[in-house]
Amino acid sequence: DADVTQTPRNRITKTGKRIMLECSQTKGHDRMYWYRQDPGLGLRLIYYSFDVKDINKGEISDGYSVSRQAQAKFSLSLESAIPNQTALYFCATSDLHSGTSFTGELFFGEGSRLTVL
Amino acid sequence: DAKTTQPNSMESNEEEPVHLPCNHSTISGTDYIHWYRQLPSQGPEYVIHGLTSNVNNRMASLAIAEDRKSSTLILHRATLRDAAVYYCILLTNSGYALNFGKGTSLLVTP
Repeated sequence: DADVTQTPRNRITKTGKRIMLECSQTKGHDRMYWYRQDPGLGLRLIYYSFDVKDINKGEISDGYSVSRQAQAKFSLSLESAIPNQTALYFCATSDLHSGTSFTGELFFGEGSRLTVL
Repeated sequence: DAKTTQPNSMESNEEEPVHLPCNHSTISGTDYIHWYRQLPSQGPEYVIHGLTSNVNNRMASLAIAEDRKSSTLILHRATLRDAAVYYCILLTNSGYALNFGKGTSLLVTP
């Protein structure tokens, strides 16, 4: 089983609908992230969470909200989807240290492709 | 957020070494240099990271300039499976990156 699991993997919806993308992880990491990828634009950070009680906006948070239900679960919501939110969404986790060494290594899920018509 | 600059694309022959450059002239003293790659239809995966010294692991080597304003990811013998988009990012010691940039698309030809 994957360490970082995203559901759904693919979703087609209509403008104005509420959509939730879910992410769960078995890495035991405190830190979780949601990124968006558009063709030719790389990945951009939407929201990140350093622990269950800590939620922070990233570079492009407008139109999105998140919920950190538990250490292992981080959900991304689009309250009223619009076509320019059509993109590939990635969840990631990280831990700052491995032993005494800084890593910050990000572990990504396989992505959720969202199409808003 | 410190920025990185990479060539849009590079091409290599199979079994030859590949040097992927990255410029990060505004890097701060506490920024770590991370490299990730994204294979088609997959999420990015970690390749290597470093702070000041050159680093080696089973996937690649990372050469960091003495002034830390640039770095080079070295794939010692490119294979067809190495064809991917390679991202160079800077992580603060708080450990997150706002933007991965466009990366370098590596084409490996037989």
